[in-house]
Amino acid sequence: TQLLEQSPQFLSIQEGENLTVYCNSSSVFSSLQWYRQEPGEGPVLLVTVVTGGEVKKLKRLTFQFGDARKDSSLHITAAQPGDTGLYLCAGEAGKLIFGQGTELSVKP
Amino acid sequence: EAQVTQNPRYLITVTGKKLTVTCSQNMNHEYMSWYRQDPGLGLRQIYYSMNVEVTDKGDVPEGYKVSRKEKRNFPLILESPSPNQTSLYFCASSYQQGFHEQYFGPGTRLTVT
Repeated sequence: TQLLEQSPQFLSIQEGENLTVYCNSSSVFSSLQWYRQEPGEGPVLLVTVVTGGEVKKLKRLTFQFGDARKDSSLHITAAQPGDTGLYLCAGEAGKLIFGQGTELSVKP
Repeated sequence: EAQVTQNPRYLITVTGKKLTVTCSQNMNHEYMSWYRQDPGLGLRQIYYSMNVEVTDKGDVPEGYKVSRKEKRNFPLILESPSPNQTSLYFCASSYQQGFHEQYFGPGTRLTVT
């Protein structure tokens, strides 16, 4: 069974701090997606990374796919309260395998 | 507006009383799936459908049924709900299976007493 482990599971920080969320697996994925979910809503796609070593930036968010395509990270610079939510990684190997999620709380 | 709709959004029911959660998408997507979301477990796939009249089991299919008679609709059926099916359910659709973006519905919060 393919598994994706996300860490940390919970993160509470002050506005302006930086943070990194990790997504790790022993399996190789064809691509990896990051979603963000707000309370009462379904997940929304932030980014898809496809190539090993790929780095994508979305404003203050930086996504990296590991060279071996087994892991990924999400780095947020100068977090804002609006970044609060559940962040989910999902690896694609024929179908999507989701990590457990990282619950991020950014306090003003 | 491109969207996935689910109904109902909230449902409280009793053990054994059959229920259906509807899901509809207006994007002409071929691939649709159902997930359940439980604390600490992330999203787990229940069933998926690659096209009309084509459905298959996901990772946690026990106690659930689905059908895909039309491209846009993919209802989730619980013939005899049990308390361990209390969860948050999401329907999702995408152009095809694989790395394509999944569009999720708003979720259905189900409580079985």
